[in-house]
Amino acid sequence: DVKVTQSSRYLVKRTGEKVFLECVQDMDHENMFWYRQDPGLGLRLIYFSYDVKMKEKGDIPEGYSVSREKKERFSLILESASTNQTSMYLCASSEEPYEQYFGPGTRLTVT
Amino acid sequence: EDQVTQSPEALRLQEGESSSLNCSYTVSGLRGLFWYRQDPGKGPEFLFTLYSAGEEKEKERLKATLTKKESFLHITAPKPEDSATYLCASRGTASKLTFGTGTRLQVTL
Repeated sequence: DVKVTQSSRYLVKRTGEKVFLECVQDMDHENMFWYRQDPGLGLRLIYFSYDVKMKEKGDIPEGYSVSREKKERFSLILESASTNQTSMYLCASSEEPYEQYFGPGTRLTVT
Repeated sequence: EDQVTQSPEALRLQEGESSSLNCSYTVSGLRGLFWYRQDPGKGPEFLFTLYSAGEEKEKERLKATLTKKESFLHITAPKPEDSATYLCASRGTASKLTFGTGTRLQVTL
């Protein structure tokens, strides 16, 4: 079974803090993705990576950056957290060109 | 731009009452239509992939079908444990998926 894990289930941060969300997959997948999910807006792609040290912007990259130093690990960074980044963050991985497998999510609250 | 629209937004069924969820999609060069189940506070769980019109996939009480413009998720004789949000996503020529906003299904006794 594919397993995607995320570093925290719940996180509370203050405005202006730097926030790191980490994701690890154990299936040697090439592709990894970061989404945010908000009520009424569905899942929106922030960034994705198709190889180590490679990254591509998704639909809403503003305010975020990513890092992929190892194949199994993909980090999402909020350089200066703002209240409008309060959301559920979901990481996924896939083997091209197949289905994506998701982690359990991190509920981030920025106050 | 790829688009996915799901209907209805919410559906309430009694146990045993069969129904269908709809997913309409607009995508250049469909390379997969995906169905996921999501329970509250959790990540989406993969259910099915469909690749071409006419294809069908089944799993327990769920059956997914695909036409050139729509996909349906048929739920036969649902049980309360089928209550969840069902998400549909399309994949075109790029690696990324375009998701619909989901159908929230509630099955009551």
